[in-house]
Amino acid sequence: QLHLQESGPGAVMPSETLSLTCTVSGGPISSSSSYWGWIRQPPGKGLEWIGNVYYSGRTYYNPSLRGRVTISVDTTKNQFSLKVTSVTAADTAVYYCARDYMDDLLYYYMDVWGKGTTVTVPS
Amino acid sequence: SSELTQDPAVSVALGQTVRITCQGDSLRSYSASWYQQRPGQAPVLVIHGRKNRPSGIPDRFSGSSSGNTAFLTITGAQAEDEADYYCNSRDSSGNLAEFGGGTKLTVL
Repeated sequence: QLHLQESGPGAVMPSETLSLTCTVSGGPISSSSSYWGWIRQPPGKGLEWIGNVYYSGRTYYNPSLRGRVTISVDTTKNQFSLKVTSVTAADTAVYYCARDYMDDLLYYYMDVWGKGTTVTVPS
Repeated sequence: SSELTQDPAVSVALGQTVRITCQGDSLRSYSASWYQQRPGQAPVLVIHGRKNRPSGIPDRFSGSSSGNTAFLTITGAQAEDEADYYCNSRDSSGNLAEFGGGTKLTVL
């Protein structure tokens, strides 16, 4: 059974870089049917898709965050990572990693999620 | 702002049927998936490929679509269904995912 686990600092100072890692267990990250994504949720607000990465390294990003976000993959460690530069208090959120799966009918959906990790940027 | 529009809040009497909607032009081309999020928990996939339920999701949850609108229907709502529900789909390019703003479901 596939399992995803986020890890990283719980607090980041303003203007610094937020770095998180998602470790995938129970299956290979180099699956042809899977992208690997990051989603965040500010306190009391809805879900925001940040972006995703394919095992080849191909990435897609939310245009609202493009320029500050980098997502990368390490197939040797079965991990993928998120970096957000120049953070502000508005980046305070629960950050989730998830598998973005494409099935045989070419439907996309996020079927496996990590439990989430809270990152706070003090104002 | 999201290109997928959901009603912020919906309520349903215990045991009754409720339909949650998600509107957006991209839904004419791409299917919606639906996620349930209880307070303090990660989202859980409840519907994918417009109408398919993952294993372990009760059959009172169903999905459908018409034109630019996707629907999540709960037939015989239970107290444990009280949660936030989010739709998700692809944008017009097919490469970027997006979430609706979420619907808070209250079971009375």
